[in-house]
Amino acid sequence: SYVLTQPPSVSVAPGQTARITCGGNNIGSKSVHWYQQKPGQAPVLVVYDDSDRPSGIPERFSGSKSDNTATLTISRVDAGDEADYCCQVWDSSSDHRGWVFGGGTKLTVL
Amino acid sequence: EVQLVESGGGLVQPGGSLRLSCAASGLTFSSYEMNWVRQAPGKGLDWVSYISGSGSTVYYIDSVKGRFTVSRDNAKNSLYLQMNGLRAEDTAVYYCAREWSGGKDAFDIWGQGTTVTVSS
Repeated sequence: SYVLTQPPSVSVAPGQTARITCGGNNIGSKSVHWYQQKPGQAPVLVVYDDSDRPSGIPERFSGSKSDNTATLTISRVDAGDEADYCCQVWDSSSDHRGWVFGGGTKLTVL
Repeated sequence: EVQLVESGGGLVQPGGSLRLSCAASGLTFSSYEMNWVRQAPGKGLDWVSYISGSGSTVYYIDSVKGRFTVSRDNAKNSLYLQMNGLRAEDTAVYYCAREWSGGKDAFDIWGQGTTVTVSS
């Protein structure tokens, strides 16, 4: 089945830029969504279809993608951005149909 | 306001059953594909099941096939997950989530989750 690989953790100082990667075979052909999850809360969609933002999500959150890696970029990071971030794609391979989530990346604001 | 509210979680012994419910409000429920997603303690998100708006198409993660059944009652604006043969590894917070067709089916609305604990 399809696998999405994320680094377990990323650390960044306030005001700096955080980049969280999501690797997957030929991910360039898939639509990637990103979620933010704070402790004890349900996930929140922050980027959809690789690089679009839902209404209400700050412009500081952006997404990009190359052939095998999708990246969530958070600019001007502040303490409120500390959370787990997870990528997601739809897998429609011949032997499996379903959603796949990455393992998640914990963003720490130093 | 669009809202999803899960219920039905609890403590159950291995091999037991539970039925989770997700009550939807503020939306035309039948127009939306829905999903169940779970999160084991201290772990990441794990997709469990999908159901189309009509209920005619369903998908499951391999580990729950044959044990879990997803269904919906559009007249009652409700989504269900019947869980049989529960195992310790099914212990998790279970979320229902709406697919947003305008957002390439991203999950734009989530419930608050209901906790399932499988233990003797």
